[in-house]
Amino acid sequence: IAGITQAPTSQILAAGRRMTLRCTQDMRHNAMYWYRQDLGLGLRLIHYSNTAGTTGKGEVPDGYSVSRANTDDFPLTLASAVPSQTSVYFCASSDSASGGGELFFGEGSRLTVL
Amino acid sequence: GQNIDQPTEMTATEGAIVQINCTYQTSGFNGLFWYQQHAGEAPTFLSYNVLDGLEEKGRFSSFLSRSKGYSYLLLKELQMKDSASYLCAVRDSNYQLIWGAGTKLIIKP
Repeated sequence: IAGITQAPTSQILAAGRRMTLRCTQDMRHNAMYWYRQDLGLGLRLIHYSNTAGTTGKGEVPDGYSVSRANTDDFPLTLASAVPSQTSVYFCASSDSASGGGELFFGEGSRLTVL
Repeated sequence: GQNIDQPTEMTATEGAIVQINCTYQTSGFNGLFWYQQHAGEAPTFLSYNVLDGLEEKGRFSSFLSRSKGYSYLLLKELQMKDSASYLCAVRDSNYQLIWGAGTKLIIKP
């Protein structure tokens, strides 16, 4: 793989179910992020990790959890999905959490909660 | 609160020039980014400004005025493939990126 990979690409999920969105990068980037993108709104940060072993809450963290056991992987878990979590989810990484380091995005995971 | 404003939609003609504006009010400033996002795809990096002035990169240029809280993205010699959404984002004092809702650019032949 080259870059940043997300799985699944698309998923329909019943409300109340648990779901994990996977994200893997092979660029050895320190910082990783999870965003959701909804029509008419800007990308909103859910959780982030500045380096392996650390995580932080973004703008809209409720209902979501993350872990960063190693540099490459940054899974996002919805413990009990609700319809308001229907969205497109983007994982991103950057070499540094500060400065001009650009973000590299995965292709997105489209999640529908019924 | 923190806010990024950009027009929702713009239309331009193939071969022409278009300027997409972005104004921001954030707690601190540590750089401004422009990204391009084609429908159904991931955002991709276009430019980064941290100092006032114009940064030129091929057909695309980005301008920043920190005192005015203002930036623009200038696209020259428009091509049909430039039809996309253009996202403005500002890194605040906590180094978090604040994103605008994006400007959908429609290119007509």
